Amino acid sequence: DQQVKQNSPSLSVQEGRISILNCDYTNSMFDYFLWYKKYPAEGPTFLISISSIKDKNEDGRFTVFLNKSAKHLSLHIVPSQPGDSAVYFCAASPYSGAGSYQLTFGKGTKLSVIP
Amino acid sequence: DSGVTQTPKHLITATGQRVTLRCSPRSGDLSVYWYQQSLDQGLQFLIQYYNGEERAKGNILERFSAQQFPDLHSELNLSSLELGDSALYFCASTETSGGAWETQYFGPGTRLLVL
Repeated sequence: DQQVKQNSPSLSVQEGRISILNCDYTNSMFDYFLWYKKYPAEGPTFLISISSIKDKNEDGRFTVFLNKSAKHLSLHIVPSQPGDSAVYFCAASPYSGAGSYQLTFGKGTKLSVIP
Repeated sequence: DSGVTQTPKHLITATGQRVTLRCSPRSGDLSVYWYQQSLDQGLQFLIQYYNGEERAKGNILERFSAQQFPDLHSELNLSSLELGDSALYFCASTETSGGAWETQYFGPGTRLLVL
């Protein structure tokens, strides 16, 4: 049973336009959400996160939106750049406090930004 | 470069064999996490060690085991290998025992192919 779902395996966007990557989750215990980016032959790198007490978090060109009632989050990249082409993983955690926690990852969405 | 190193980068072996994957965390990081990424799957959390002790366990098979040594490097042992164990194995590290706000830094992964 997939608790974190990224239903779009791939997405193509023109350079300069907005990229919107979506993620749905089923576990109501999740209260901290993260996006990781992965280039080929490299490990995932942290991009941006959001706690369940917020509905939006921005970091430069990257914004994550959280809709708790719909159990849905999205990552917006504006403007998209060719260097953003990578696989993006959505991840969720049931804890927002100290102590051990486990990240549950989605399968990823491959973003291609076309020059 | 995340500062997390994993060896070997590639490993090809036969069914029934045993292999050991090695991970060195970032300097100063006390926690090590192991993940498995099978084809077209998200990263599956296997196990976490903190300062030499097992801290959390995910969907790790009984044929798999791990340990963290006094110098904080970790090894993941996979035995009685099956074709389905072919995957990318990632190691990640955090400074402390792990809270949702702590960024996990990932290594480049070890690609295991079981023939």
